[in-house]
Amino acid sequence: NAGVTQTPKFQVLKTGQSMTLQCAQDMNHNSMYWYRQDPGMGLRLIYYSASEGTTDKGEVPNGYNVSRLNKREFSLRLESAAPSQTSVYFCASSEGARGLRISYEQYFGPGTRLTVT
Amino acid sequence: GEDVEQSLFLSVREGDSSVINCTYTDSSSTYLYWYKQEPGAGLQLLTYIFSNMDMKQDQRLTVLLNKKDKHLSLRIADTQTGDSAIYFCAESKGNYGGSQGNLIFGKGTKLSVKP
Repeated sequence: NAGVTQTPKFQVLKTGQSMTLQCAQDMNHNSMYWYRQDPGMGLRLIYYSASEGTTDKGEVPNGYNVSRLNKREFSLRLESAAPSQTSVYFCASSEGARGLRISYEQYFGPGTRLTVT
Repeated sequence: GEDVEQSLFLSVREGDSSVINCTYTDSSSTYLYWYKQEPGAGLQLLTYIFSNMDMKQDQRLTVLLNKKDKHLSLRIADTQTGDSAIYFCAESKGNYGGSQGNLIFGKGTKLSVKP
């Protein structure tokens, strides 16, 4: 199993350009997450998808959109990149709710390092 | 508030024990987690503790939970240079925006191990 994979690993954008960060998991997990990590700020949740077909805003959703394409894939789109979106982006997945049980532990991808100039 | 608090830095000598502390806010959190992040990598789940436990030991790692004070600690015995990393504490959030299963992370403690 590859776990959680993310593409690309690195990206440089100019202000105003758009791009989509891709994430896929092969663990049959229900829930998927997008975080950004900035120095001194820890991890901040951008969007999450509790299950296939649902998405919800996290702490810092402005400037981003997401698509839960199927159970495996969860993409993050920047429509018009801004320098404030320079960050490291992590995708994560967890089993989430399965019947009466909720599994909280999240498994992370290696990250995408995005620079917006 | 919903903040999970951790000190930002810890420096120890190789062979000593390291203790990383965390305070959390939600007394209804079911599970509490410790993650490790090495330079340039994603977060790796180290260990977790269920809220009805006081202690959990896993090889060199000991997790202590004081539910009354909402205090969680991670002790690393015989700390090695390979333990140098950022350690994140996280609490489970039963309902976040109406959905279940989310985690709230601290800002991370950077552990430096000197030879």
